[in-house]
Amino acid sequence: RKEVEQDPGPFNVPEGATVAFNCTYSNSASQSFFWYRQDCRKEPKLLMSVYSSGNEDGRFTAQLNRASQYISLLIRDSKLSDSATYLCVESSRQLTFGSGTQLTVLP
Amino acid sequence: DAGVIQSPRHEVTEMGQEVTLRCKPISGHNSLFWYRQTMMRGLELLIYFNNNVPIDDSGMPEDRFSAKMPNASFSTLKIQPSEPRDSAVYFCASRLPLNTEAFFGQGTRLTVV
Repeated sequence: RKEVEQDPGPFNVPEGATVAFNCTYSNSASQSFFWYRQDCRKEPKLLMSVYSSGNEDGRFTAQLNRASQYISLLIRDSKLSDSATYLCVESSRQLTFGSGTQLTVLP
Repeated sequence: DAGVIQSPRHEVTEMGQEVTLRCKPISGHNSLFWYRQTMMRGLELLIYFNNNVPIDDSGMPEDRFSAKMPNASFSTLKIQPSEPRDSAVYFCASRLPLNTEAFFGQGTRLTVV
């Protein structure tokens, strides 16, 4: 079993739609989690950290469910500029990335 | 801060040649990671260092790959001899201590022909 698993997609959604990604992890001792965004032919960049209490940053909401060992990312009112690959990350001693979920927002 | 700096940005080499990729982490960061990214396998962790010491190199594909971090501001990843299947984008990332986010360099796009 992979340490971090994501649905690879692709997700194709119209502008203004709400889209949600889930990610499961296997290491129950993991302390920190992140969502990264990667644009085509660019490096991954931090989108947001994920806290147990959940956190929101504008149109983006991240949630952590330790009991079920999954994290989620919700994007509301999606924009064309949200088109990218979204990577979930589990952080213990090292950083383990999921394979990424590709999102395309259509006009 | 200039961020994580990698060089070269692009490298094209012939099979059998030695390739050296370079990384300068963000000043003050004490963890450094080398990743390889391909369409088929996604982002794979090759090796990471804490305080210049290699902690886990289990992701290094084989003996042709080696990595060093002689000081806190410089690391290299070497492939000798290179093979076409090594073609990928190689990323270096650094971070502060545990449980903080990592910052990536722009990557080195390696093509072995």
